[in-house]
Amino acid sequence: GENVEQHPSTLSVQEGDSAVIKCTYSDSASNYFPWYKQELGKGPQLIIDIRSNVGEKKDQRIAVTLNKTAKHFSLHITETQPEDSAVYFCAAKDTGFQKLVFGTGTRLLVSP
Amino acid sequence: DGGITQSPKYLFRKEGQNVTLSCEQNLNHDAMYWYRQDPGQGLRLIYYSQIVNDFQKGDIAEGYSVSREKKESFPLTVTSAQKNPTAFYLCASRPGHLSYEQYFGPGTRLTVT
Repeated sequence: GENVEQHPSTLSVQEGDSAVIKCTYSDSASNYFPWYKQELGKGPQLIIDIRSNVGEKKDQRIAVTLNKTAKHFSLHITETQPEDSAVYFCAAKDTGFQKLVFGTGTRLLVSP
Repeated sequence: DGGITQSPKYLFRKEGQNVTLSCEQNLNHDAMYWYRQDPGQGLRLIYYSQIVNDFQKGDIAEGYSVSREKKESFPLTVTSAQKNPTAFYLCASRPGHLSYEQYFGPGTRLTVT
């Protein structure tokens, strides 16, 4: 089955800097890759996703890139703000099943 | 106000007792999911259901049971057979066959002592 690895586990940046979180996946047939933001004590919130027929997708300050050859995808946050501080999870859709396999999460801390 | 609701937010039980966690959605989504989250870890799939009266085991189904009698409801029972039940439980739903996006509820934190 699908396996997803996520790095780094923690990331500290200054307000205004960019942040990049990277994930790798094992199943070359996977075709859907979402990113979730989870604030303390809350459920994860879908912030952006990408399908395998697209290489990059942007939504204001966040973007996701996908490299199918290398089997990795990344979340890019520009002009970070303190409210971006949270845990971010990547996921990949398991081929043949309507279920997601999640990475272990990245704790992002944006300092003012 | 559409969304996914989970109740209660905090739940406390004694060891050896079964407990049922509620998950309701009014989004008219076909599929529903239960995940478990432990501190510092990712989300692990317990059970999922793609249509009413049908459900499949996820990666960590032992000690759990579910039912899907109504489209909007997918309750999870944590049985006394679950060795480490203390965790944060998350319910999610997905619109339908051609949609991959999953949307999560606010979660229930279960503590068993």
